[in-house]
Amino acid sequence: SQKIEQNSEALNIQEGKTATLTCNYTNYSPAYLQWYRQDPGRGPVFLLLIRENEKEKRKERLKVTFDTTLKQSLFHITASQPADSATYLCAPNRDSNYQLIWGAGTKLIIKP
Amino acid sequence: DAEITQSPRHKITETGRQVTLACHQTWNHNNMFWYRQDLGHGLRLIHYSYGVHDTNKGEVSDGYSVSRSNTEDLPLTLESAASSQTSVYFCASSRGQTYNEQFFGPGTRLTVL
Repeated sequence: SQKIEQNSEALNIQEGKTATLTCNYTNYSPAYLQWYRQDPGRGPVFLLLIRENEKEKRKERLKVTFDTTLKQSLFHITASQPADSATYLCAPNRDSNYQLIWGAGTKLIIKP
Repeated sequence: DAEITQSPRHKITETGRQVTLACHQTWNHNNMFWYRQDLGHGLRLIHYSYGVHDTNKGEVSDGYSVSRSNTEDLPLTLESAASSQTSVYFCASSRGQTYNEQFFGPGTRLTVL
């Protein structure tokens, strides 16, 4: 079955450093993958979408990579700030019907 | 500004009762989705709709139903609430079926006692 894995342990990063979050998928090849941010008590908010034929996508301080050989996407936040603290969700499309399959998310904590 | 709203934000009910969670969007999106979010799990799709009078089952649809009578609303009904349905429920909408971001509501926290 199609599985999405994100690091379940919180990631603690010093302010100003680059935070890197990992999303691994198994048993299939998604056509695209989305990243969302979720703050406590709120719904997820879309950040970036990357397609299978794109190796890298950037938006301001955010960068996403998509390695179809490793079956992995990396999400980077450069010059991290305490306001970047949140849970980040990875969501590739499902093979059969293009619905999204969601990872459980990684909690990112940026310390001043 | 366009938005997606959910009501109620918090609900406590008893086992066996019927519960309906409301979702209303003003994006004029054809696609709407209901998810549940539980600790340690990713969002799991309950039902989705690609347009008026269209509904489809997601991966965890047992015990839930939806109906779509207009573009703006997709209410989620728990026919006979069970304790296993205690969760946070999110409604979302999107413009297209593929390669489109989803816009989420604020969520409804449901507790079934």
